Order: sequence, then structure tokens, then C-alpha cells
Amino acid sequence: AQTVTQSQPEMSVQEAETVTLSCTYDTSESDYYLFWYKQPPSRQMILVIRQEAYKQQNATENRFSVNFQKAAKSFSLKISDSQLGDAAMYFCAYRSEIVDNNDMRFGAGTRLTVKP
Amino acid sequence: AAGVIQSPRHLIKEKRETATLKCYPIPRHDTVYWYQQGPGQDPQFLISFYEKMQSDKGSIPDRFSAQQFSDYHSELNMSSLELGDSALYFCASSLTWFSGNTIYFGEGSWLTVV
Repeated sequence: AQTVTQSQPEMSVQEAETVTLSCTYDTSESDYYLFWYKQPPSRQMILVIRQEAYKQQNATENRFSVNFQKAAKSFSLKISDSQLGDAAMYFCAYRSEIVDNNDMRFGAGTRLTVKP
Repeated sequence: AAGVIQSPRHLIKEKRETATLKCYPIPRHDTVYWYQQGPGQDPQFLISFYEKMQSDKGSIPDRFSAQQFSDYHSELNMSSLELGDSALYFCASSLTWFSGNTIYFGEGSWLTVV
């Protein structure tokens, strides 16, 4: 079964600086999708960024970018120019290509604090 | 843009009672997912439906059941409630079951069992 590991329960960053959140996963599949979701205090799950495993190019969404290392099974999230609104719980998630087993698997989450 | 609508947003029930949560997916989305997020935990997959048929099943207790209706809305029925069922329940939707399609989450329904 696929597992997702986030080894940093908590991280903090100074406003306007850069922070990287780590995520590793375990799978025997070659095709899959990876996601980072943000969960602010409102508890809503908001998609931050996604990466297709077949793509070598790292995904980027404005201040958010990923470092996808397929061989190492690593998928880290970099937040540049951190803003107070970035403070939230961040979940890394994996989704298989296999139809009857493609529910989203989440890591335990990393709580990000942004200091003014 | 329309989002996933969940109701009720908050629900308080006593042990052994029954609760029903409703989910209205984004228009044209035919796939619905239910997740349970306990305090301080990551969301756990319960069950999903595609075109009104159950498509995948996760760690859903036998006391829970769900279905998707002809208008694609879904309901999660929880019976014989236990204190441990207190959690945030997310419904999410996507356009088909294709893994590459983005899953959009609702704001969640808070269930408190006392």
C-alpha cells in the first residue's frame, strides 16, 4: 500500500522568507499524482499544487513550487516570499493511477507558522 | 465558481443516535468522495461514488452507509454513533474517477457526538 510521510510536524518561517516542507512516499507504481493541500484554521482543504509523476518538470504556482525527485520518491514544497496568510497545516497527498485504488492518501501534515 | 456544498456544517448528536450528512458536488462532477478527519489527524478516505455506483471503499465502519443519487448529490448515513465518530467529515468531488482530475473539497461538516 502506498504511504506518505511528512517528517516535519511543525515548521516556522519569517514573513517574506522561503521555507521548504518535506514529503516522501512509498509506492511500487510508476504512474501516479502528487498534491499539496493547505488547511487553514477554517479547516477547508485547498489545493496548492499538483505534480504528475510522468512529468520531469517541477510544477510551479506563483510563490509555490515543488522539487519532485521520482527516484528518491521525494516531493517537497517550497514557499517563497512567505505571507501571513500562508500559515496553515499543509498535507502532502498521493493518488494512484489504478482505478479501483485511487483514493487520495494523505501524510500526517506539517503545521506552518509565519512570523511577522 | 460553484464549490462543493456540505450540510449541515455543524451537528451535535448523542451516542447511539443516527446522523445524515449531505453533499452537493460541483455542477457536472460525477464523482464524490467522503473523508473523515479526526482531531489532529490527516483525512482518512471512507468511500467514493462514480455515476451513482460505489467505486472505492476505504476505512468506513459497517455502521456507516452512503449513496449517490440521480442528481449526483450524496448522503453519508451514520448509525449507532460512538464518541470516536466525532470528527470533521469532508465531501469532495471531481470530474470522473480519473486520478489526474483535481479533487475539490467542501468546507466540511463538523460532527460532535456527546
